[in-house]
Amino acid sequence: QKEVEQNSGPLSVPEGAIASLNCTYSDRGSQSFFWYRQYSGKSPELIMFIYSNGDKEDGRFTAQLNKASQYVSLLIRDSQPSDSATYLCAVAPVGSARQLTFGSGTQLTVLP
Amino acid sequence: GAVVSQHPSWVICKSGTSVKIECRSLDFQATTMFWYRQFPKQSLMLMATSNEGSKATYEQGVEKDKFLINHASLTLSTLTVTSAHPEDSSFYICSALLADTQYFGPGTRLTVL
Repeated sequence: QKEVEQNSGPLSVPEGAIASLNCTYSDRGSQSFFWYRQYSGKSPELIMFIYSNGDKEDGRFTAQLNKASQYVSLLIRDSQPSDSATYLCAVAPVGSARQLTFGSGTQLTVLP
Repeated sequence: GAVVSQHPSWVICKSGTSVKIECRSLDFQATTMFWYRQFPKQSLMLMATSNEGSKATYEQGVEKDKFLINHASLTLSTLTVTSAHPEDSSFYICSALLADTQYFGPGTRLTVL
């Protein structure tokens, strides 16, 4: 069974700090990795996707992928209170989002 | 770009009635759309994959006769919850596939009394 594991949190960081969110996955055939942000009562919003090992940066967000360790992470630099949300890791096989498997999400609170 | 809408945003109905939820891709065509359900404090669970012009593919444990999906055009998929019961109360979210990325609609909160 394909599994995606995330620390449920809650994770609290002070404003301006770096928030680190982690995700592991069980299916070695996974090729595409996505991070979504979900505010309470709202639907998920795509933050980033990553396909290749290494780091991918987009503004304050950096996704890191290590396929050998089956590990993907999301770093949020200069965290803001508006970043407070649940972050969902999603994994898909073979370069496509057709079969996303979601983790349970990590709840992040950025304290002013 | 890549905007997906859902209608209604919330609905309250009586037990035994049917409810239809619409999912539209506003600025792109989507051959494939997905329907998810999310219970409080839980992650998204895929219910079915909707393909334009063909029958939907349902995930294990999802009753296809209860959750009717129609994807009649490249911009519209509908989910009908038939004979709804209180246990069907949930947050229903659709997504549309564009360039190997899923873009989510705002969700529909269904409450069955």
